[in-house]
Amino acid sequence: EVQLVESGGGLVKPGGSLRLSCAASGFTFSSYSMNWVRQAPGKGLEWVSSISSSSSYIYYADSVKGRFTISRDNAKNSLYLQMNSLRAEDTAVYYCARARYGSGSYYNGFDYWGQGTLVTVSS
Amino acid sequence: IQLTQSPSSLSASVGDRVTITCRASQGISSYLAWYQQKPGKAPKLLIYAASTLQSGVPSRFSGSGSGTDFTLTISSLQPEDFATYYCQQLNSYPLENTFGQGTKLEIK
Repeated sequence: EVQLVESGGGLVKPGGSLRLSCAASGFTFSSYSMNWVRQAPGKGLEWVSSISSSSSYIYYADSVKGRFTISRDNAKNSLYLQMNSLRAEDTAVYYCARARYGSGSYYNGFDYWGQGTLVTVSS
Repeated sequence: IQLTQSPSSLSASVGDRVTITCRASQGISSYLAWYQQKPGKAPKLLIYAASTLQSGVPSRFSGSGSGTDFTLTISSLQPEDFATYYCQQLNSYPLENTFGQGTKLEIK
């Protein structure tokens, strides 16, 4: 059974840092691109970042570029998100999600999601 | 690429046929997915490639469209279908990725 379990969320002051982790199991983690998606309280979904299977390709939403860093450790079946210079508007539930490969260079959505971890940025 | 869903909210009854629309700001071929999210839960992939049902998803869900206009249809609403639905474009993934603002489907 595919499982994604996030951890590392919590309360942090503006300007602070936090590192999220996502532990994967039930599939060959090293074969899949992975993502972080967030959802502010009462709001919609916002894609944050993606990383290819071998970490060769990394992309960020403009809203987090230069502040957040995505990484992975395929030996540990783990995905990470280092979040620096946090702002109140980064307050959200953060989900890790697996990308479903389609064909060519295209993907077919995010087929497995974790339960999410809440990050609250407040003084 | 921006995605605009309509309506933003919708009231319907069990057994109704419901259609949700997603419009892209530029053509995205058929690279569109639909998700269902219930309160306090992670999103669930329903449909990918605009019209392909994800494994395990009931056949009352269907998707159609290409280019800029897409629809998600639920043929006969069941009590468990009351949730928020999101579209997602994958034409420019992974360089960028966007979701629609969501459509909340409520019980009338």
